[in-house]
Amino acid sequence: GAVVSQHPSRVICKSGTSVKIECRSLDFQATTMFWYRQFPKQSLMLMATSNEGSKATYEQGVEKDKFLINHASLTLSTLTVTSAHPEDSSFYICSVAGLAGLRGGNEQFFGPGTRLTVL
Amino acid sequence: GNSVTQMEGPVTLSEEAFLTINCTYTATGYPSLFWYVQYPGEGLQLLLKATKADDKGSNKGFEATYRKETTSFHLEKGSVQVSDSAVYFCALRGSSSGSARQLTFGSGTQLTVLP
Repeated sequence: GAVVSQHPSRVICKSGTSVKIECRSLDFQATTMFWYRQFPKQSLMLMATSNEGSKATYEQGVEKDKFLINHASLTLSTLTVTSAHPEDSSFYICSVAGLAGLRGGNEQFFGPGTRLTVL
Repeated sequence: GNSVTQMEGPVTLSEEAFLTINCTYTATGYPSLFWYVQYPGEGLQLLLKATKADDKGSNKGFEATYRKETTSFHLEKGSVQVSDSAVYFCALRGSSSGSARQLTFGSGTQLTVLP
């Protein structure tokens, strides 16, 4: 499968600041990237789907102006949490998928996650 | 829409005990089914998968069989180890083109194996 990294792995910030989380596909052309958030002891909730070079598609209830997603290349997507507040504290996980029929195809490969704590 | 219902945890077992974590699903068409494992502080790792009815996915001693007649994909392991302690997620991927890559997850089951 693909190797996916996230940076940072852990971040603590003050309320009102913005935080950028990077998701990199190290050996795989990720035409599609997904961003999830996970609250303690809960399942993953899909936030948005992004295709390289296109605007992200956000799930219902996810504020696109608060969670800015940029998928500028086949190996990098970023999630920026703008004006973060304590309720944004969560575990953010990205995953990548490639073109159907090619290596990986419709499979999703997950990053290790980023723990965000907003004070 | 698609949905996954997973056995609630937490589940606590002694080492070498038999494990079953139930998973049932609702979906149209012919979804693919997955089990993911999440170790503390880490992201998800694919444990096993099955893409069509009667397929059996297996990995690291874990098995699950895609049962279309009962819409189930129960996870089993004959003898668990302490290192199997983790959260297990059942998931499905729809078969329609509009949801070609999107995964729907169950709520997760925390497994703790005691020595």
